[in-house]
Amino acid sequence: AQSVTQLDSHVSVSEGTPVLLRCNYSSSYSPSLFWYVQHPNKGLQLLLKYTSAATLVKGINGFEAEFKKSETSFHLTKPSAHMSDAAEYFCVVSDPRKTGANNLFFGTGTRLTVIP
Amino acid sequence: SQTIHQWPATLVQPVGSPLSLECTVEGTSNPNLYWYRQAAGRGLQLLFYSVGIGQISSEVPQNLSASRPQDRQFILSSKKLLLSDSGFYLCAWSVGSLGDTQYFGPGTRLTVL
Repeated sequence: AQSVTQLDSHVSVSEGTPVLLRCNYSSSYSPSLFWYVQHPNKGLQLLLKYTSAATLVKGINGFEAEFKKSETSFHLTKPSAHMSDAAEYFCVVSDPRKTGANNLFFGTGTRLTVIP
Repeated sequence: SQTIHQWPATLVQPVGSPLSLECTVEGTSNPNLYWYRQAAGRGLQLLFYSVGIGQISSEVPQNLSASRPQDRQFILSSKKLLLSDSGFYLCAWSVGSLGDTQYFGPGTRLTVL
């Protein structure tokens, strides 16, 4: 069965410093992996998606994530945090083998605070 | 390009009153549609999904129901709201596999008093 764990419920960084949001997954097969961002009282916006192509995935707003099969991780990074990055971030895993049923599993989210 | 709309944006309802939230998608045909609820301080909970008109799958037993009267319209309803129904309701769409990328609407904030 698939599951996803976001290791930190809250991360706080200073503006201009690197961001690291951690995500580990469990899956019997190579999954598809996503990161979404949610600003307060807004819907979720797709940041990036991994689907078994290049292991380093570049997304919008300067974010990127690296798929590491040996570590079953898909951590989200950004070299320099901006105030506008303050939001909730969700790691999501899906099993493309499954059909006929919803197979997208959401992490519990990591709240990123950016300190001026 | 595809867009997804939800309304109303916010709603305050008394306990025991009915509910109807609407979601429409533009710019795509035969999408998969989803309703999620996000309670305060929690992650997303999938409530319903639909792969076609009149086809509804429920993930969590509750006093909510969903309907899909048209290809790009998805409605979330309740006959009698409970306090525990309060939350942020998100509609999403995808095409192809149910595990493929989902695109979310702006959400509806529901407060049940």
